[in-house]
Amino acid sequence: DAKTTQPNSMESNEEEPVHLPCNHSTISGTDYIHWYRQLPSQGPEYVIHGLTSNVNNRMASLAIAEDRKSSTLILHRATLRDAAVYYCILREGIQGAQKLVFGQGTRLTINP
Amino acid sequence: SQTIHQWPATLVQPVGSPLSLECTVEGTSNPNLYWYRQAAGRGLQLLFYSVGIGQISSEVPQNLSASRPQDRQFILSSKKLLLSDSGFYLCAWSWRSGANVLTFGAGSRLTVL
Repeated sequence: DAKTTQPNSMESNEEEPVHLPCNHSTISGTDYIHWYRQLPSQGPEYVIHGLTSNVNNRMASLAIAEDRKSSTLILHRATLRDAAVYYCILREGIQGAQKLVFGQGTRLTINP
Repeated sequence: SQTIHQWPATLVQPVGSPLSLECTVEGTSNPNLYWYRQAAGRGLQLLFYSVGIGQISSEVPQNLSASRPQDRQFILSSKKLLLSDSGFYLCAWSWRSGANVLTFGAGSRLTVL
C-alpha cells in the first residue's frame, strides 16, 4: 500500500498561517491526495483533495510538489476551531476497487 | 443531497455477545461503502470496503464481518465480541468514480466489557 508520513504534532498561533506537510514518496500516477480533519469524538471531515495541480477551496489550500512526492495543506489564517487531527491520505487503486487508508495524522494545536 | 446514517450511536456489550452496526446512505446510487475503526487515541483503521452489492473486501483479519445486502446498506457484524473490539466505528461513502472523496457518518462508539 502507498503510505503517507506526517509529523505527529504541530502548534501554531491564532490568526497565523499553518503549513501542514505530508510525504508520499511511493505515490503512483493515479493516486489522489486527500486531506481530512477530525475533531474529538467526531468522524473525519473532508478538507481538500488534488491530483497534480495546487488546489484552493474555502477551507484551505493544497500545494503539491512537482514530483508529487510531497504536499502541504495550508490554513491561511488559523482559528481555534481549526484545532484537530489532520490526515493526509492517498486514494489508491483502480476504478472500481479504490480504497483510502489513513495514517496517524498530525495533531494541530492552535494557541490563542 | 446525500446523507449517511449510522446506528446505534453508542452501545455497551458483554464479551461474547453478537454485534450488528448498520449504515445507510440516501440520495445516491452505486456508492463505495467503507467501515473504519478507531481505537482510543489512535488513528483510523480501514476494516472493510465495498464497491457493490455482495462485494466486500477485508483489510485486516479480525473478529468482524461485513455485508452489503442492498446497494445503500452496509452492515458490520460479529458473532462473539472480544474486549479488543471496543472502539469508535465509522461508516463512510464515496462516489464510485473520480477522486472518491469520503463522507463519514457520525460514528458508533462500542464498549465491550
